[in-house]
Parts: sequence; C-alpha cells; structure tokens
Amino acid sequence: EVQLVESGGDLVQPGGSLRLSCAASGFTFSRYWMSWVRQAPGKGLEWVANIKQDGSEKHYVASVKGRFTISRDNAKNSLSLQMNSLKAEDTAIYYCARDTLRSCGGECSSFDYWGQGALATVSS
Amino acid sequence: QSVLTQSPSVSGAPGQRVTISCTGSSSNIGAGYEVHWYQQLPGAAPKLLIYGDIHRPSGVPDRFSGSKSGTSASLAITGLQADDEADYYCQSYDSSLSDVVFGGGTKLTVL
Repeated sequence: EVQLVESGGDLVQPGGSLRLSCAASGFTFSRYWMSWVRQAPGKGLEWVANIKQDGSEKHYVASVKGRFTISRDNAKNSLSLQMNSLKAEDTAIYYCARDTLRSCGGECSSFDYWGQGALATVSS
Repeated sequence: QSVLTQSPSVSGAPGQRVTISCTGSSSNIGAGYEVHWYQQLPGAAPKLLIYGDIHRPSGVPDRFSGSKSGTSASLAITGLQADDEADYYCQSYDSSLSDVVFGGGTKLTVL
C-alpha cells in the first residue's frame, strides 16, 4: 500500500524557517518524480515544487523561488521541503504527492497519491 | 488568478448528470498538455479522479469521465450521489509559466 506521511508542520513567525518532511512507503520511491502541493485555508490547490527521480532537476512556482528548497533522499525514501523567509501568505496545508514516473516531469505531472498534509502557519 | 478557469460552483439532484468545465489557453490545454482531475472531499486530501484527459485510475467508478477539446476540458459525473459532494480541480501544465497549474476549483452540491 502506497503511503505518504508528512511531518514538520508548525507555527512560525514571519521571516522564520520550517522544514517539512515526507516519508514514503509501499512503492519504489526512486522511480518517481515527487511534488509538494499546498492549499491555503479555504482556498484552492497550488503546486509548489517538484524534483526529478535522481534529484538532478528541481522546479518551483515563482512565489517561492529563492526561499524554498525541495530535496530527496532515495536511500531513506524521504522527501523534504526547506522553507525560509516565510511570509503570512505561505500559511497552508502542504501535501506531499507522488508525481509521474515518466521522464517528461512537470510537463506531464499528475498526482496519484497524496499524503494527509502538514499545516504550516506563519503568524506573529 | 488561476490560468485554468473553473466555475466556482455547480449543483445537481441525485441521479442527474453534471459537467464541470476547465478553460485554459494556447499555452496549456490548447498546447496539448494533459488534463487531470481531482476530487477533494471535505477535510480530506485530494484524490486523482481522471488522468491523461480521459483515463480513470483503478477504483474510480465509470460514472466519472473526462474529455478535452481545443483549449477546454470537462469532467462529467453521471448518476449523481450524495457522496459526490466535493470540490473538483483540474490540473495541467503551462508552458508560458513553466509551471504545473491547477484550476481554481468547482464546488459540487448535490441537492
């Protein structure tokens, strides 16, 4: 059974940092692109970042470029999102999602499994 | 504002058929990028409903179907049931933004 379990959500002050983690199991993690998708309270879904199977490619939505870093450890079947210089508008549930196993990456991204989400709240 | 436009809400009575539209442009749906659909029940994570424009993952009832034409895509739900009440999102890729993009979501109410 595919499982994605996020952790690390917390309350942090504006300008602060937070690191989210996602533990994957039930599939060959290293075969898939992986993504983070977020959802602000009462709002829609927003793709945040993705990373290629071997970590050699990473892509980010414009609003987080230079502040967020996605990474993965295939030996530990884990995905991470380091979030720095956090702003109030980054407040959201962050979902870890299994992306495509095709080489086209973001251009053919679809998310067939999702974690339960981790809540990151940025507030003073 | 989302580059994929969805109506904020749609409703239907049990047993009826509803369609949810997703309108894009020549840099996303119109460029041939695949459209995927997700169902998000209240308080839950999204669930993949349709991938690659028309394909249903294992376990998704055939009451759900997807289609695409030009710069738009649609999700049709037949035989509406009370537990279909949820938010529905389309998703694709936009070459101008070089980003994965979601529609703003459509809230389905079963009357």
